[in-house]
Amino acid sequence: NAGVTQTPKFQVLKTGQSMTLQCAQDMNHEYMSWYRQDPGMGLRLIHYSVGAGITDQGEVPNGYNVSRSTTEDFPLRLLSAAPSQTSVYFCASKNQGSYTGELFFGEGSRLTVL
Amino acid sequence: RKEVEQDPGPFNVPEGATVAFNCTYSNSASQSFFWYRQDCRKEPKLLMSVYSSGNEDGRFTAQLNRASQYISLLIRDSKLSDSATYLCVLNSGNTPLVFGKGTRLSVIA
Repeated sequence: NAGVTQTPKFQVLKTGQSMTLQCAQDMNHEYMSWYRQDPGMGLRLIHYSVGAGITDQGEVPNGYNVSRSTTEDFPLRLLSAAPSQTSVYFCASKNQGSYTGELFFGEGSRLTVL
Repeated sequence: RKEVEQDPGPFNVPEGATVAFNCTYSNSASQSFFWYRQDCRKEPKLLMSVYSSGNEDGRFTAQLNRASQYISLLIRDSKLSDSATYLCVLNSGNTPLVFGKGTRLSVIA
């Protein structure tokens, strides 16, 4: 019963490097999203998707790209990493259009940019 | 006014105590409300939904006051294992969920 799986769990990058955080869910959820969490800032929405082929920007999208080619996968790309992107990243999914608040989170990816 | 506001705490309470958190929201169109729990260095997880009539789950009671635009969470007989950050969450239909920054609770032996 995997739920939402994020990889890698830890990553150290140098400024200017690029990387992709992977997110996969096996619950057939239409809605998927990426958050970053920093001390004192709470969870901030980066990008979200309400279905395959559809993505939209959240509160803090700059410096990040996403795509949604399948229902299961929602990768987050950092094009040119900056120290300000040091954070914990969470991927989350739920049934779209449902008024339930149950957003299922992955375990998080801890990224450090030097 | 921020969309969701919570007292960050920390609330330091002894085992067995009763503690309550409030969360205020600004969007009167908010339709559903939730409390999430996040343990240190872990992902958030749904604790309970909040219904207009109030609802209870064991030692936890959640209430909604639409007129004053706040929700509350009451924890009775606090346990050490209740130590966590409690996040207030709003759903306004098909827009993304809105998370508060959380209230940190520390239950002390």
